Amino acid sequence: QTVVTQESSFSVSPGGTVTFTCGLSSGSVSSGHFPSWYQQTPGQPPRTIIYSTNIRSSGVPGRFSGSILGDKAALTITGAQADDDSDYYCLLYMGNGLYIFGGGTRLTVL
Amino acid sequence: QVQLQESGPGLVKPSETLSLTCSVSGDSITNYYWSWIRQPPGKGLEWLGYVKYTGSTSYNPSFESRVTMSADTSKNQFSLKVSSVTAADTAVYYCARWSYDNKAYYLAFWGQGALVTVSS
Repeated sequence: QTVVTQESSFSVSPGGTVTFTCGLSSGSVSSGHFPSWYQQTPGQPPRTIIYSTNIRSSGVPGRFSGSILGDKAALTITGAQADDDSDYYCLLYMGNGLYIFGGGTRLTVL
Repeated sequence: QVQLQESGPGLVKPSETLSLTCSVSGDSITNYYWSWIRQPPGKGLEWLGYVKYTGSTSYNPSFESRVTMSADTSKNQFSLKVSSVTAADTAVYYCARWSYDNKAYYLAFWGQGALVTVSS
């Protein structure tokens, strides 16, 4: 069974840059997986940050960007701020109407 | 602005069926696809599947034998049933609406979530 992989945690200083990745246990991630990224703070539902690899959702600050890096999807925060301290999940389309979430990355900003 | 609200029992006994409903306001369920996602305490998100107002569905293979989703256009609601539950099904259950842009679907709107505990 395919697993979507994400780093378990990251730490970044305010103003710093961090890149999370979203990979597959077997194979490469491409734009055809239509990667999307979701941010979640404790006790809240997720909100969309990026969809279709690199399109920012409405109201999302420009410091968030999405891309394909090598064989993985990537989410980059340039100039991290304190309220970026959250969990981040990627979601991939696997074909035939099936989607899989990654395990999530916990970002600490300190 | 579209709003989604999950409702249903917060406590279900093992081996019984978990049932949740998502009420949609500010939009018609005939316009989009709708999903259920769950999150066990302290863990990550799990996509359970989606339903279209026509009744067309797609389920996560890991849950396919136990999950049923349906839509009720007269009430502008859609529903989730998970049969034969165990403690491992204890989770916050979210309903969500897909949007389509740039040839891609994404989960654009989410409900606040409903905690369902499986316990005798």
